[in-house]
Amino acid sequence: DAKTTQPTSMDCAEGRAANLPCNHSTISGNEYVYWYRQIHSQGPQYIIHGLKNNETNEMASLIITEDRKSSTLILPHATLRDTAVYYCIVRVGETSGSRLTFGEGTQLTVNP
Amino acid sequence: ETGVTQTPRHLVMGMTNKKSLKCEQHLGHNAMYWYKQSAKKPLELMFVYNFKEQTENNSVPSRFSPECPNSSHLFLHLHTLQPEDSALYLCASSPAVTDGVLYEQYFGPGTRLTVT
Repeated sequence: DAKTTQPTSMDCAEGRAANLPCNHSTISGNEYVYWYRQIHSQGPQYIIHGLKNNETNEMASLIITEDRKSSTLILPHATLRDTAVYYCIVRVGETSGSRLTFGEGTQLTVNP
Repeated sequence: ETGVTQTPRHLVMGMTNKKSLKCEQHLGHNAMYWYKQSAKKPLELMFVYNFKEQTENNSVPSRFSPECPNSSHLFLHLHTLQPEDSALYLCASSPAVTDGVLYEQYFGPGTRLTVT
């Protein structure tokens, strides 16, 4: 699976949009971009995933650049409960779908 | 509440003890996973079970022994562990493991294991 690069930490004011970047410059055409987050002392939680098109669900939006070498997870109105480590993961879509390879992630701190 | 429960939430054991971690999922899934999360290290996949059959062992030492009696339950049997095995052990489930199909995984809260 392609390697991802994320900033170590970010801060965001409560109520503002949090934009978390991820670089995956070696991504292949059959690799999806997944985002998970892990709130302290809890298991990781699935957020969203996409292949080429931008995606939106009740939790977040995912913007993938046209060349697919980077993406941004957007939390439109961050709350204190969104403070967590956010993981950007790329996964191959044409082989066994079991493997999730987690990197270091971005520690997002939402401040009041 | 993700539908995946793990017990115990905390466990302290000596190096000569034998203990087991339990995971149960109430989501009707057919694939279950064990992950290890050590301090300051990324999450590591340990084992994968699909329809009760082990499909992946990520070079895990034999002192960790998984068991999957049915699609809803997963155990991790521990014996003669080392202090460096202290970590958060996370269980996850997904609908299945199928070539060409990616499912999101649902994680339990984890068991915090300390080996003394």
